[in-house]
Amino acid sequence: ETGVTQTPRHLVMGMTNKKSLKCEQHLGHNAMYWYKQSAKKPLELMFVYNFKEQTENNSVPSRFSPECPNSSHLFLHLHTLQPEDSALYLCASSQSRGAQETQYFGPGTRLLVL
Amino acid sequence: GEDVEQSLFLSVREGDSSVINCTYTDSSSTYLYWYKQEPGAGLQLLTYIFSNMDMKQDQRLTVLLNKKDKHLSLRIADTQTGDSAIYFCAEKEKNTGFQKLVFGTGTRLLVSP
Repeated sequence: ETGVTQTPRHLVMGMTNKKSLKCEQHLGHNAMYWYKQSAKKPLELMFVYNFKEQTENNSVPSRFSPECPNSSHLFLHLHTLQPEDSALYLCASSQSRGAQETQYFGPGTRLLVL
Repeated sequence: GEDVEQSLFLSVREGDSSVINCTYTDSSSTYLYWYKQEPGAGLQLLTYIFSNMDMKQDQRLTVLLNKKDKHLSLRIADTQTGDSAIYFCAEKEKNTGFQKLVFGTGTRLLVSP
């Protein structure tokens, strides 16, 4: 599935930097998600936006700040990150239509915090 | 919270069948999913099964669901080297408004020639 794109694909940042991850979906979906994938841990759901409204914040530290200006775009603003925040950040989207809502994932942004 | 468990590693020879197993805890799960992740890529949906089904077949893939034991398996027939990847099982939590998936830690499948 190539309907969800993420940029950049790789990012190296220092702990004092500010950067943003971008996700765009071309599938006409109305829900978008940020996940964190760390080595040897299950995927962690971070944020969910449904019709541009944030419906889930899974106890994520405030150094991660999401933004969803419209149903097609999702950002994750990063500032004063820690080395343990290094991970693969995955974006996904789905169409709310009752019980079965398949999530489609982007390729991810591999983040390294030095 | 809900929990999904998978074995970490499976190694098979090309042409053999692979069976990847998953157990979950949420008896109210409505849908269960299998995703595939190749190196450097995101998750690709392979297949899903509704909780009132026992089996679903899609070309080389067969999903078996034992709801009583909360056990899900993915069988890949005639496994190819291109099937080498990490396979994630996921269940849909019962909720309202959006789809919350709980993922296992993934099973790394290695297919040798």
